[in-house]
Amino acid sequence: QVQLVESGGGVVQPGGSLRLSCAASGFAFTYPLHWVRQAPGKGLEWVAVISFDGSNIYNADSVKGRFTTSRDNSKNTLYLQMNNVRPEDTAVYYCARDAYHDYRGALDYWGQGTLVTVSS
Amino acid sequence: DIQMTQSPSSLSASVGDRVTITCRASQGISNFLAWFQQKPGKAPKSLIYAASNLQSGVPSRFSGSGSGTHFTLTISSLQPEDFATYYCQQYGSYPLTFGGGTQVEIK
Repeated sequence: QVQLVESGGGVVQPGGSLRLSCAASGFAFTYPLHWVRQAPGKGLEWVAVISFDGSNIYNADSVKGRFTTSRDNSKNTLYLQMNNVRPEDTAVYYCARDAYHDYRGALDYWGQGTLVTVSS
Repeated sequence: DIQMTQSPSSLSASVGDRVTITCRASQGISNFLAWFQQKPGKAPKSLIYAASNLQSGVPSRFSGSGSGTHFTLTISSLQPEDFATYYCQQYGSYPLTFGGGTQVEIK
């Protein structure tokens, strides 16, 4: 079955860096993938999408210039490099699969999430 | 950016009740609308895509309708496992945006 497993979360100081990973299994790693986050007690916020080959990436304005999404198709793994983090980046970060190869944005499977806390 | 407005933000209902949640988009999105269910401490689960298509394995008591700017999620007969928070999400254009959520509580 489709599985997405995030890792790499933790506590990081403001201005620091962190790299999240999302390991995929149970499906051909040819789908676009997204990052979505959820601040404690808040709603869902889309962060970024990467096409199946990594040639197209879109980011939310809130993370542009600070977060970088990439993927290693040989390892079936998605990454989110978070630089210059801010307290407002504190959230559970989910990876999610796009049901369509043209990264239409219909999210069908989600990982369990990894918590990032930005605090001094 | 397309704003998604859900109503109500919360509701109380009893097992067996019919429940309807509304989602409005700030501009037309055709049928590029999804619904998710989220339980505390868990990841969102996809229920409906393309406004009215049920994801595989989702009970038939869930249904979705609408197009353009007005959408609804209906639970025909609320079950104990349906108490959760529900989100709509548009994928008509980037950035993808979500509604604020509707918390369905036990009356």
